[in-house]
Parts: sequence; structure tokens; C-alpha cells
Amino acid sequence: AQKITQTQPGMFVQEKEAVTLDCTYDTSDPSYGLFWYKQPSSGEMIFLIYQGSYDQQNATEGRYSLNFQKARKSANLVISASQLGDSAMYFCAMSRYNFNKFYFGSGTKLNVKP
Amino acid sequence: KAGVTQTPRYLIKTRGQQVTLSCSPISGHRSVSWYQQTPGQGLQFLFEYFSETQRNKGNFPGRFSGRQFSNSRSEMNVSTLELGDSALYLCASSLGESLHEQFFGPGTRLTVL
Repeated sequence: AQKITQTQPGMFVQEKEAVTLDCTYDTSDPSYGLFWYKQPSSGEMIFLIYQGSYDQQNATEGRYSLNFQKARKSANLVISASQLGDSAMYFCAMSRYNFNKFYFGSGTKLNVKP
Repeated sequence: KAGVTQTPRYLIKTRGQQVTLSCSPISGHRSVSWYQQTPGQGLQFLFEYFSETQRNKGNFPGRFSGRQFSNSRSEMNVSTLELGDSALYLCASSLGESLHEQFFGPGTRLTVL
């Protein structure tokens, strides 16, 4: 079975600073994908970034980067230059390669302070 | 390109009733997945439909069912509602082949009284 663990229920970061949100996963499958989503208070889930298990390079999307350490089974999200609009819940998720079934972590609530 | 749409956005029902939620995926997406989000259990996978067939299923009772139409639109039905079914129900669409990111709709917030 797949399992995602996010150990930080809540975090604070100063505006314009970088922040790392932790995510560890457990799977016995060699082929899988890791995803990060942002959920503002409005409720809609917004896709941020994707990392495939065979990707050699860490994924980056604008201010978001994914620090993928396969041996440690971790997929931490790094947000650079935090903005007030980054305040939201952040979810890490994974899916096996040929199964469109996402397992989500419990989320981290990020608060960006001005 | 229009995003994923879900209707209705809010619903209030009483125990024992049934409810049908609707989801229209992004044009060209053939996979629709449904998730239940509650404060206690977090985000849990309900089921996934691809080309009108249920391809994956989560661990929910048979009261939760769904279907997908030929235009990829999907409906989810919950029969004999219980208080614990109160949740945000999220629909997500994706291309469906191999592994792709899922794009979520705004959700339907169901309250069971």
C-alpha cells in the first residue's frame, strides 16, 4: 500500500523568505509519481509540481521546487521568496504509475507573515 | 480552456436521503476521480472512471457509487445519507493514460443534518 506522511501540521514563514514543507512516502512500487497541491481557504486544489520516480533531476516550477531524495523516500516542497498569497494548506500526494489513484498526506498549513 | 466544474457547490440534506453530485472534466480529459475531504480523515479516494468504466476504487461502502457518461462527465451518488457523509467532495480530471497530474474542481460541500 502507498502511504504519505506530512509531519508539519502548521508552519510560519516571513514574507520573501524560503520555506521547506516536508513529505515522506512509502511504496514498494518502482514506478510512481509525486505531486504537490495547494488548497487555499476557498477549497479548490491547485496543482503545483510533479516528480516522477525515474526523473533524474529535481522538478522546478517557478518559485516551487521539489527536493526529491529517492533513497530516503522524501519529496519536500521548497517555496522560494514566499508571498502573502502562499498562505494555504499544502498537500503531498503520490500515485503508482499506471493507477490513477492518488494518496494524499494530511497536509501542512502554511502562514506567511508580512 | 475551461477548468473542472462541479455542481452544485453546496448541498444540505437530511439523514436517509440520497444525493447526486455532478462533475464536468476539462475538455479532452477522459479520467475523472472523486475524493472525499473531511477534517478528521483528510482526503480520501472514492473512485476513478476512465472511458465510462470504473478503473479504481477506494474503501468506501456501497452507498457511494458513480458513473461516467460518453462525454466524460461524471456523477457521484450517495444513498441513505449519514451524518458522517458531511464533507467536501472533490472531483479531479486528468488525461488518464499512464500518470498525469489531476486537476481539481471547486468541490461540492455536502452537509447532512
